[in-house]
Amino acid sequence: AQSVTQPDIHITVSEGASLELRCNYSYGATPYLFWYVQSPGQGLQLLLKYFSGDTLVQGIKGFEAEFKRSQSSFNLRKPSVHWSDAAEYFCAVGARWETSGSRLTFGEGTQLTVNP
Amino acid sequence: DTEVTQTPKHLVMGMTNKKSLKCEQHMGHRAMYWYKQKAKKPPELMFVYSYEKLSINESVPSRFSPECPNSSLLNLHLHALQPEDSALYLCASSLLPGETQYFGPGTRLLVL
Repeated sequence: AQSVTQPDIHITVSEGASLELRCNYSYGATPYLFWYVQSPGQGLQLLLKYFSGDTLVQGIKGFEAEFKRSQSSFNLRKPSVHWSDAAEYFCAVGARWETSGSRLTFGEGTQLTVNP
Repeated sequence: DTEVTQTPKHLVMGMTNKKSLKCEQHMGHRAMYWYKQKAKKPPELMFVYSYEKLSINESVPSRFSPECPNSSLLNLHLHALQPEDSALYLCASSLLPGETQYFGPGTRLLVL
């Protein structure tokens, strides 16, 4: 069974500081990995995804993530955080079944607070 | 365009009411999903429709009844809900089963 662990429940950073959100996954084959962001009361917005190929993936809003198979990790990074980045961040792993649809397994989320 | 729309945005219902949530996408996606999200928790998968056929049902109580009338529309019919069913209900779609899922803004449901 697939699983995702986000070790940090809550992270606080100052505006302009760098950010790294951790994600570890468990999956038997090559995973499909995603980072989503959710503002309060809103839906989930896709930041970036990894299916195959280059292990460093670029996303929207200046985010990037690196897939490290040896560490079963897919950490999200941003060099300089903006106040508008304050939100809940979810890492997710997906399995692809061509006929039945994909079951996304989410981590518990990391709440990001940005101090001025 | 990766827009999934959901109506209504908010819904308050009593335990004896019948109501429906609606989800729509015009991206030609062939897989659609319902998730339930409680406060401070990740989304939990409820149902998956693949090519308009129900392909995954995560042992959801029968008071939740999904329907996929066509490839663009997904409904969730609600009947005799309990207060613990109060949550944010999210719809998502993907081009094909297993592809990237795009989420709608959700319907905030309160059951009194």
